[in-house]
Amino acid sequence: QKEVEQNSGPLSVPEGAIASLNCTYSDRGSQSFFWYRQYSGKSPELIMSIYSNGDKEDGRFTAQLNKASQYVSLLIRDSQPSDSATYLCAVNMANQGGKLIFGQGTELSVKP
Amino acid sequence: NAGVMQNPRHLVRRRGQEARLRCSPMKGHSHVYWYRQLPEEGLKFMVYLQKENIIDESGMPKERFSAEFPKEGPSILRIQQVVRGDSAAYFCASSPPRTSGSLGQETQYFGPGTRLLVL
Repeated sequence: QKEVEQNSGPLSVPEGAIASLNCTYSDRGSQSFFWYRQYSGKSPELIMSIYSNGDKEDGRFTAQLNKASQYVSLLIRDSQPSDSATYLCAVNMANQGGKLIFGQGTELSVKP
Repeated sequence: NAGVMQNPRHLVRRRGQEARLRCSPMKGHSHVYWYRQLPEEGLKFMVYLQKENIIDESGMPKERFSAEFPKEGPSILRIQQVVRGDSAAYFCASSPPRTSGSLGQETQYFGPGTRLLVL
């Protein structure tokens, strides 16, 4: 089992729809969870961080964390073509120091 | 406030040469991380450093790779005797100093990366 798993996609949604990106992780003691966006040929850009169970909203983005199910998700409301990118889930696992474990990324395509 | 800086942005080396990648963290950040992204693959952790200390090098290949973060100057990732399989994007990230009880919540901010091509 991979430490952090994401559906590779591509996930295609129409403009204005809600895009739902999912991520599961293997280490129950994981503490911190991050969503990064990466455009092709560019570096990862932080979208959201979440540390506690529940929802965290920032503009059109909502991160959801369920530690019991070892599941973290990112919802993008009113998706725009400019949201088309690869979304990376990253987890800071227990007793792993500061390093982040990344999923493979989900490619999102928002069609006009 | 300048972000994480990396140079060079692109580096071409022939097999057997050395590659030196540099990273200057964000102002006020004292933690540096190096990650590698192979073509069509995810980001993989390589090494975590603080000034003059290697904290975690569990992701570093055992041979040819080394990293440092001196008291003065940027962090350097050094690859000796490069091979074609070293061709990848190398990203540096930095985070602020840990505070007690933070439990690793410090966010890592990424630099633009160095794209290494080995011919």
